[in-house]
Amino acid sequence: DTGVSQDPRHKITKRGQNVTFRCDPISEHNRLYWYRQTLGQGPEFLTYFQNEAQLEKSRLLSDRFSAERPKGSFSTLEIQRTEQGDSAMYLCASSPGLSNQPQHFGDGTRLSIL
Amino acid sequence: AQTVTQSQPEMSVQEAETVTLSCTYDTSESDYYLFWYKQPPSRQMILVIRQEAYKQQNATENRFSVNFQKAAKSFSLKISDSQLGDAAMYFCAYRTGRGGSEKLVFGKGMKLTVNP
Repeated sequence: DTGVSQDPRHKITKRGQNVTFRCDPISEHNRLYWYRQTLGQGPEFLTYFQNEAQLEKSRLLSDRFSAERPKGSFSTLEIQRTEQGDSAMYLCASSPGLSNQPQHFGDGTRLSIL
Repeated sequence: AQTVTQSQPEMSVQEAETVTLSCTYDTSESDYYLFWYKQPPSRQMILVIRQEAYKQQNATENRFSVNFQKAAKSFSLKISDSQLGDAAMYFCAYRTGRGGSEKLVFGKGMKLTVNP
C-alpha cells in the first residue's frame, strides 16, 4: 500500500479565488471520504463516495463546495469564491468495500486564505 | 445526531508509565463502531484501535487497550508503557453500524505529552 495521497500539501490563496484539491485513495479502496479540520477541533465530515457515486453530503458542504470522483479512483474537492472561514485542513480518507473496515487518512491539504 | 465528547483537552505522562484517555458518546443506536485515532504533529491520522459495539470483549492492540462500557456510553483508551512516540493528538470517533451512515463523528481531541 502506498497510502492515501493528497495534493497539494499546502495552498495559500486570496479570498474570492477558487481552489481545487486532489486525493488519490489506496488502490482498490472503493470508498473515499472528505473531512475538514479546523484548529483545535476534530475532523468534520464533508462527503463520501462509493466508487464514482457521491452517496452522502454534509450540510457543511455549501453550494460553493463541489466534490467529484469521475472514474471511481481519485477525487477532487473544489471550493469556489473562497472565504476566510474556509481556512482549514482538508483531509481525505479511503476504505475498502466492507462496512466494518476502518478509514485510512492522507496527510491533508492545509488551506490558508489571505 | 450522535456526539462524541473528550472532556480532557490535554494530558501528560511520564515515559514508561500508563495513561488513560477518556471519551463519552451519545447515541440511540445499538449497532455502531468506536475508534481511537492518533494524529502526530504535522503527520497523518492513523488508527490506534477499534471496537465493535456488539462485542463485549474490550479490544487490545499491543500496548493499547480500551475500556468499553456500553451502558455508560464510555470508551476510554489505556496506553501502557508510554513511549516518546506516543505524543500526539488523540481523537475518539464514532461510526454507525452496517447499513447506516459511513461518516465518522469525531471528538475535539486530546493532546498527549510524554515526558522523558
